[in-house]
Amino acid sequence: QKEVEQDPGPLSVPEGAIVSLNCTYSNSAFQYFMWYRQYSRKGPELLMYTYSSGNKEDGRFTAQVDKSSKYISLFIRDSQPSDSATYLCALGSGLDTGRRALTFGSGTRLQVQP
Amino acid sequence: NAGVTQTPKFQVLKTGQSMTLQCAQDMNHEYMSWYRQDPGMGLRLIHYSVGAGITDQGEVPNGYNVSRSTTEDFPLRLLSAAPSQTSVYFCASSERETQYFGPGTRLLVL
Repeated sequence: QKEVEQDPGPLSVPEGAIVSLNCTYSNSAFQYFMWYRQYSRKGPELLMYTYSSGNKEDGRFTAQVDKSSKYISLFIRDSQPSDSATYLCALGSGLDTGRRALTFGSGTRLQVQP
Repeated sequence: NAGVTQTPKFQVLKTGQSMTLQCAQDMNHEYMSWYRQDPGMGLRLIHYSVGAGITDQGEVPNGYNVSRSTTEDFPLRLLSAAPSQTSVYFCASSERETQYFGPGTRLLVL
């Protein structure tokens, strides 16, 4: 079993739709939870991160973490064609040891149709 | 401020050849790392460094060497390339939990 499971998609939605992207994990030692966006043939760029269970909002994006269920989600409201990309969840540990390792999900490819 | 830069963008190697993937950052970050990205596998950590002169292995270190002589540079060396090392390689530097990734190097080993 992978430490982090992410539905690979692809996911195709019409412009303006609400998108839900999800990851589940098995290791309760993860300390922080992140979402990266990766456009085709580019490096990942950080969208959001959070340390605790609950919701964190940034514009059209909301990150949700449920540590008890080991489940994280990213919601995109009013999706735009420019949101078309691969979204990667990443779970981190080692803040206290210096070994800041990220464990990535396999990524979900999102296509927003105009 | 260029962020994280990587060279080359694309490389084709024959089995057994060696090469060095270059990575540089201008953000004065102590922590740098190398990942590989394969279809369906996400990004996997190869090696990382917490500062000049200090390196350590990640999840998939076999076949790769690193060194860190300066804060800015963190090259990744393949001593004898194998087809299994065909992948996209990303270098990252970080300030606490925020990792900044370079544009990647696409490597094809024939």
